Amino acid sequence: DAKTTQPNSMESNEEEPVHLPCNHSTISGTDYIHWYRQLPSQGPEYVIHGLTSNVNNRMASLAIAEDRKSSTLILHRATLRDAAVYYCILQETSGSRLTFGEGTQLTVNP
Amino acid sequence: DARVTQTPRHKVTEMGQEVTMRCQPILGHNTVFWYRQTMMQGLELLAYFRNRAPLDDSGMPKDRFSAEMPDATLATLKIQPSEPRDSAVYFCASGLPRTERGSYEQYFGPGTRLTVT
Repeated sequence: DAKTTQPNSMESNEEEPVHLPCNHSTISGTDYIHWYRQLPSQGPEYVIHGLTSNVNNRMASLAIAEDRKSSTLILHRATLRDAAVYYCILQETSGSRLTFGEGTQLTVNP
Repeated sequence: DARVTQTPRHKVTEMGQEVTMRCQPILGHNTVFWYRQTMMQGLELLAYFRNRAPLDDSGMPKDRFSAEMPDATLATLKIQPSEPRDSAVYFCASGLPRTERGSYEQYFGPGTRLTVT
């Protein structure tokens, strides 16, 4: 499985945008970029995914670099409820398995 | 709001006892996953099924763990005999059929917190 690199932790203030980076320099042309998050004492939760183009949904936006070697998850206005571990994962097109790394612990300050 | 359900939510047992964890995937999802999460190892995939058939159980200790799907609405994970090192949170997830955009999304249950003493 291709590997991703994320900062261990990040902090943000409530109501401000948050940009969570992910590097995936060994991504293959058919790997999808997935983001999940895990709130305290809960199971992981799907956030967003993309292949080449930027994506938006009700939770977040995903900006994918032109060379696809990095991506950024954007939370437009952080709330206290967004405090979680955010995982950036590459998923092979041919299968459905996800390999979770250590993720980024996001702290949101009131 | 369709959700994956898992029972029990918490289980404390003694070493050597059998443990059975159950999962009800979201109706219509054809892929079911079992993960284990510990502080040391993080989230690890143990096994997964598609259309009730096991596709990959390479992450599972074969001598004591077994996973089955007796029907489309029930997945089970058994540990026999249990050991203290099996203490972890076990998550079940189910997946949508392949979307038009060609990728799978997984929906996780709340987990079963297992403590083996």
